[in-house]
Amino acid sequence: KAGVTQTPRYLIKTRGQQVTLSCSPISGHRSVSWYQQTPGQGLQFLFEYFSETQRNKGNFPGRFSGRQFSNSRSEMNVSTLELGDSALYLCASSLRQGSSSYNEQFFGPGTRLTVL
Amino acid sequence: GESVGLHLPTLSVQEGDNSIINCAYSNSASDYFIWYKQESGKGPQFIIDIRSNMDKRQGQRVTVLLNKTVKHLSLQIAATQPGDSAVYFCAENMGRGAGNQFYFGTGTSLTVIP
Repeated sequence: KAGVTQTPRYLIKTRGQQVTLSCSPISGHRSVSWYQQTPGQGLQFLFEYFSETQRNKGNFPGRFSGRQFSNSRSEMNVSTLELGDSALYLCASSLRQGSSSYNEQFFGPGTRLTVL
Repeated sequence: GESVGLHLPTLSVQEGDNSIINCAYSNSASDYFIWYKQESGKGPQFIIDIRSNMDKRQGQRVTVLLNKTVKHLSLQIAATQPGDSAVYFCAENMGRGAGNQFYFGTGTSLTVIP
């Protein structure tokens, strides 16, 4: 079974631009979460989508948004890029939403975004 | 200017020895925990998980211990191998209402000396 895939793997943008990142979850998984990883802040939760609806949101500005499609694929968008948005953006998929039972979360390889 | 980053605890072990990586979690309401391994240039890799109604769970060469009284997790790796060198994270989920939102620790860098 294929793992979580993310495209593109690397991206270079300039301040003020916007960017869209894509994530395809493991087949059959319906929950997709996004995280930002930086040396200064570590791994931080951005948001989670389940059944095309945002279920949880972390403490990030409104410039960060996302969506999920009916096939569970997800995209996240960052508008008006700032230098501080340079990070590894990770997508994780889970079979179900919530921790009502063991619900492992598996990560993709990430998209390395550099903002110049 | 000076680069500021998280202070990453480090652990160096000899190949073949057992490793113990510790993690203090933040919220007493957390009821599900995952240990991840992250190698350079890769996304975190699921190692093992544990629910709050257990205090120990074993996998292949790994054991996770949970002490809810002091909000502490540990990951034990038996017979550590060079391929175990990586950064290890514990992640906590705060149960109902939190969905799949996990809070991650700062990580521990494990170096295995051949």
